[in-house]
Amino acid sequence: DTGVSQDPRHKITKRGQNVTFRCDPISEHNRLYWYRQTLGQGPEFLTYFQNEAQLEKSRLLSDRFSAERPKGSFSTLEIQRTEQGDSAMYLCASSPSTPTYEQYFGPGTRLTVT
Amino acid sequence: GQQVMQIPQYQHVQEGEDFTTYCNSSTTLSNIQWYKQRPGGHPVFLIQLVKSGEVKKQKRLTFQFGEAKKNSSLHITATQTTDVGTYFCAALTNTGNQFYFGTGTSLTVIP
Repeated sequence: DTGVSQDPRHKITKRGQNVTFRCDPISEHNRLYWYRQTLGQGPEFLTYFQNEAQLEKSRLLSDRFSAERPKGSFSTLEIQRTEQGDSAMYLCASSPSTPTYEQYFGPGTRLTVT
Repeated sequence: GQQVMQIPQYQHVQEGEDFTTYCNSSTTLSNIQWYKQRPGGHPVFLIQLVKSGEVKKQKRLTFQFGEAKKNSSLHITATQTTDVGTYFCAALTNTGNQFYFGTGTSLTVIP
């Protein structure tokens, strides 16, 4: 399967703990996006990478969130000092460098903060 | 900030009826994409529209981009139970790389 993969698929953590999620995009895609989705809402943009460069980050994103894509391949999203409001589905999507910008989404990581 | 409004929020139709969802932006868009998300699944890309007034068709699905590039619609002819899911538009402005997703329209098809 050459689609976008995410790990873990589910994460339960206690408030105040740090969590890290991983995304492996489609190998030839140089664009990578992170989104957060809550029930009944559309995906909310978090950040965008082109290759290893983080080109855009949501202004609504707390400083507790950080993302990396060190070699322009896989990416990690870390949330420090988790809060109950961080509970959501975290989606990763990758996109080719052609003008279509079509995004291929991974299955997501569901985070529950207790 | 940029907002993408999508209506209706929910739509229940009898199988065989038509369905339309609308996406509206307060600013001019660079392009707009449409995605379908099945219950428990992740968004799946359907189409991208770039040109003013553009119309694209995929079998029973018709996508349209407004002349002013501020709105778009998705129309499904003769719905089937396989059309069930939530349809999202995702808008890209001229000034950034951030896609703004609409709130989605949840479609239920009654057999």
